[in-house]
Amino acid sequence: AQTVTQSQPEMSVQEAETVTLSCTYDTSESNYYLFWYKQPPSRQMILVIRQEAYKQQNATENRFSVNFQKAAKSFSLKISDSQLGDTAMYFCAFMKQETSGSRLTFGEGTQLTVNP
Amino acid sequence: EPEVTQTPSHQVTQMGQEVILRCVPISNHLYFYWYRQILGQKVEFLVSFYNNEISEKSEIFDDQFSVERPDGSNFTLKIRSTKLEDSAMYFCASKWGLNQPQHFGDGTRLSIL
Repeated sequence: AQTVTQSQPEMSVQEAETVTLSCTYDTSESNYYLFWYKQPPSRQMILVIRQEAYKQQNATENRFSVNFQKAAKSFSLKISDSQLGDTAMYFCAFMKQETSGSRLTFGEGTQLTVNP
Repeated sequence: EPEVTQTPSHQVTQMGQEVILRCVPISNHLYFYWYRQILGQKVEFLVSFYNNEISEKSEIFDDQFSVERPDGSNFTLKIRSTKLEDSAMYFCASKWGLNQPQHFGDGTRLSIL
């Protein structure tokens, strides 16, 4: 079974600064996908970024980028130029590559607050 | 952009009653999921559904739960005899391909009294 751990329950950052959210995972799978989802107070879970485990290059999506360390089983999210609208709960999630199902396994979440 | 929609946004039910949570996945999506999030806890997988049958279910998804896609657009989660511990936020998700990311709805907050 897979596990995902987010060790930072809460973080805060000043507007326009950079913040990094940590995520570690444990799996015996070699092919899998990792995601960061954002859940603002409106509560909809929004995909922020995804990373395929077979790709060595770290994924980037505008102000969001990841530091994927496969050997260390680490998948951190960096948010550059933080904006007030980035305030949300952030979830790291794991999905193994398979022929059916492909459930997401989530971490506990990190509540990020961006201060003006 | 197409969205997953869930109704109702909040459901209050007496313990022991049946409840049906409804979801309309994105129209060209083929894989469907239910998750729940008890207040202050992790988001937990309940069930996945593909090709009109359950493809995987968690240990949480016992005999009181069932899912259905009755008409090719709706995807429902039924809880037959609700318990206090079923109080949670329930999220529906869908995706079009096996290794694609899931798209989530806004969730239904279920409160059991």
